[in-house]
Amino acid sequence: GQSLEQPSEVTAVEGAIVQINCTYQTSGFYGLSWYQQHDGGAPTFLSYNALDGLEETGRFSSFLSRSDSYGYLLLQELQMKDSASYFCAVSPGGGNKLTFGTGTQLKVEL
Amino acid sequence: GAVVSQHPSRVICKSGTSVKIECRSLDFQATTMFWYRQFPKKSLMLMATSNEGSKATYEQGVEKDKFLINHASLTLSTLTVTSAHPEDSSFYICSARSGSDYEQYFGPGTRLTVT
Repeated sequence: GQSLEQPSEVTAVEGAIVQINCTYQTSGFYGLSWYQQHDGGAPTFLSYNALDGLEETGRFSSFLSRSDSYGYLLLQELQMKDSASYFCAVSPGGGNKLTFGTGTQLKVEL
Repeated sequence: GAVVSQHPSRVICKSGTSVKIECRSLDFQATTMFWYRQFPKKSLMLMATSNEGSKATYEQGVEKDKFLINHASLTLSTLTVTSAHPEDSSFYICSARSGSDYEQYFGPGTRLTVT
């Protein structure tokens, strides 16, 4: 089966840096994606890692270690609007369908 | 950027009736569309993969006769929940993928309540 584990909740203060981890066990692997979802809204794409290493996109960075079946999303200079749920997702085969992680609810406080 | 719409955004129906949800890609052709179900504070669960012009591929445990999917064109996929029951109440989200693009573009979701 497929499983992607994330911490259920993370709380941080505005301006801080937070890391959301994702460990996965899947039958295949073509890449790790990260999506953000605000309450009642649509998931929006944040980043994608197909190879090991760090990908940086503005305040957000994502890291992948395929040998460890592990990745993380790093959010810097946190803002109140970053309060949302964050999901990692794996493309288990052919880069087509996605299997989503358990999700992490991030709360940013003043 | 790519935009995906869903209609309706909210629907309330009585037990035993059927409900159709539409998913449209507005500014690109979607070779593949996906249908997800999400319970409150939970993850997205893939229900089925919809390919234009062919039968949908359902995930294990999803009843294909209950959740009918039609992908009649490169910009439209529909999900029909047949003979709905209260346990079908959920947030249904579609996504679309264009060609070899690894990114999926999500619709705003449809909240279904079955009374």
